[in-house]
Amino acid sequence: NAGVTQTPKFQVLKTGQSMTLQCAQDMNHNSMYWYRQDPGMGLRLIYYSASEGTTDKGEVPNGYNVSRLNKREFSLRLESAAPSQTSVYFCASSEGADISPLHFGNGTRLTVT
Amino acid sequence: QKEVEQNSGPLSVPEGAIASLNCTYSDRGSQSFFWYRQYSGKSPELIMFIYSNGDKEDGRFTAQLNKASQYVSLLIRDSQPSDSATYLCAVNGGNTGFQKLVFGTGTRLLVSP
Repeated sequence: NAGVTQTPKFQVLKTGQSMTLQCAQDMNHNSMYWYRQDPGMGLRLIYYSASEGTTDKGEVPNGYNVSRLNKREFSLRLESAAPSQTSVYFCASSEGADISPLHFGNGTRLTVT
Repeated sequence: QKEVEQNSGPLSVPEGAIASLNCTYSDRGSQSFFWYRQYSGKSPELIMFIYSNGDKEDGRFTAQLNKASQYVSLLIRDSQPSDSATYLCAVNGGNTGFQKLVFGTGTRLLVSP
């Protein structure tokens, strides 16, 4: 079992470039999430998908789009990267029940110059 | 007021001592509470969750919840150098619903040999 797999692990973009962060889980979880983590700010929710076919905004959705491709995969797209989007991005999944914990991927460290 | 507050630390304890990590939350309707451990450069991993008032023990870890005071804590007994990490408190339920886990910024714990 791989759990939650994110690609790529590292990425450097120039301002204005676009990219897609990929995430896949093999735990048959219903819910998937994208968080960003910045020093002093903690983990902040960008978007989440409570179940296949649905997506909702989190705390910091501006500048991002998501696609829940199927039950396993949830991608995050930056259409026009900005230096403020330099961060570590974590994908996570959960069963979706009220006390089900999040299982995190290994993260993507993104730098926008 | 932040939704979930933690002292950023570092909290320094000697090996073998009890480390006490604290977290307060603002949404009185919050119902589920999680503690994650995050080593530097790694993804968060779940240590414990609690949803009833009182104590919950798991090995060297004890989570304590007091909903009236909106306070949750994590005690680590017989602290080891390998416990040195950042500990994240997270809550859900309440106004944000169960799908959104809100994280504190974390407390850095240093256990000295």
